[in-house]
Parts: sequence; structure tokens; C-alpha cells
Amino acid sequence: QQQVKQSPQSLIVQKGGISIINCAYENTAFDYFPWYQQFPGKGPALLIAIRPDVSEKKEGRFTISFNKSAKQFSLHIMDSQPGDSATYFCAASRSEYGNKLVFGAGTILRVKS
Amino acid sequence: NAGVTQTPKFRVLKTGQSMTLLCAQDMNHEYMYWYRQDPGMGLRLIHYSVGEGTTAKGEVPDGYNVSRLKKQNFLLGLESAAPSQTSVYFCASCRDYSTDTQYFGPGTRLTVL
Repeated sequence: QQQVKQSPQSLIVQKGGISIINCAYENTAFDYFPWYQQFPGKGPALLIAIRPDVSEKKEGRFTISFNKSAKQFSLHIMDSQPGDSATYFCAASRSEYGNKLVFGAGTILRVKS
Repeated sequence: NAGVTQTPKFRVLKTGQSMTLLCAQDMNHEYMYWYRQDPGMGLRLIHYSVGEGTTAKGEVPDGYNVSRLKKQNFLLGLESAAPSQTSVYFCASCRDYSTDTQYFGPGTRLTVL
């Protein structure tokens, strides 16, 4: 049972373009939605996160858009750069004992220079 | 600060052998986690701990055991390794209930023949 569904599996974007990755969740009790970035051979690192009380959060070139009624959230990378080439994971958790994250399957992003 | 460290980085086992993976964190975090990462499946939670001396099951606990005898260490054991346990294992830590950010280690690549 996949509680967080992520798409696309892979994405190729030209340098300077916009990368968009989408996620959908099932459990309405989730109240924390982070995006993690992972480079080859490294562990995931938190990129940006949002809570459902806001519809959008922006940090530099990275923006999360959140649609509570549709149970969907997305990551937008503006002015994509070759250094952004990595695997991106969305995740979700509920504020309870343990802060347990449920991850999407991941999106491999390649930014062509 | 070293953050979250994992040993070993690589390991090859034969079916039926046992081993222990060590995770250490120097951030005085209360919560610690073990995940496995498989292609196309994202990261899945194996076991977690909300404090020294506590452990709990995650999404995929079968075939694994854990111990948290010291706050800074979280051990993952495989008693009788199976080829299905071939994976990359990540440890993570989180300060406590007041924050959601999980910090990941660099991973251990395990192959079971």
C-alpha cells in the first residue's frame, strides 16, 4: 500500500527551465510534507517542507505548492541548473509519536546544460 | 560535528549469515530511524526509536532487530540474511517531537548472495 504516490519517475529539463514533481497522498491525518534531495552515493537531505496551513512555500528557486482538498503537493524548481540533477523524494508524516516519514518512490531529475 | 555516521559503508554477506549495522549521531537527538532504499520504492521505515532504551516497528520490520542501548547509537541487526535484504540502508535522526527534520547518514550498501 503506497500512501504517497510520486510522479514522474524521471525528468529531463533544459538548463534554465522549470522542473515540476508531483505527489499525492491518501492519509488526511498527514500534517507535514517535506521534500528530500539525494545525490548519488549520499544520504537524502531536507530541501524544503510545508504544513497544510499554507498553500505555498518558497525558498530561493524551490517552491512547494500544496492543495489540501485534492490531497496533492508539488515541488517546483525554477531556473533549473545542472547541479540540481539528483533524485527527489516527497514524504509525509503526522504529528504523533515518532515523526515517522512515509516516502514517495522518488524522481530522478537530470538538468541538461 | 560529524552528524550521522554509519558503519560499514559496504558489506557482502552469504545467505544465512548475520551482521550488525551501526549508526551513531553526535547531535544529542532523541529520535533515530532505520530505512531501506530499493529502486523504484523510495525509502521504507524498518524500525525506529524515540529515546534511549526504546524501539518500535516501522513499515517493514520482518527479518530485522534493533537496539538503542545508548542515546547516540542505534544498531540494526540481521540474524539470518536473505537475498531479499539486499538494499541500501540509511540511518536518520531527529531532535525530538518538537521538530520534524530528519538528518540522514551516508548509507550502507548490503549485498546478500
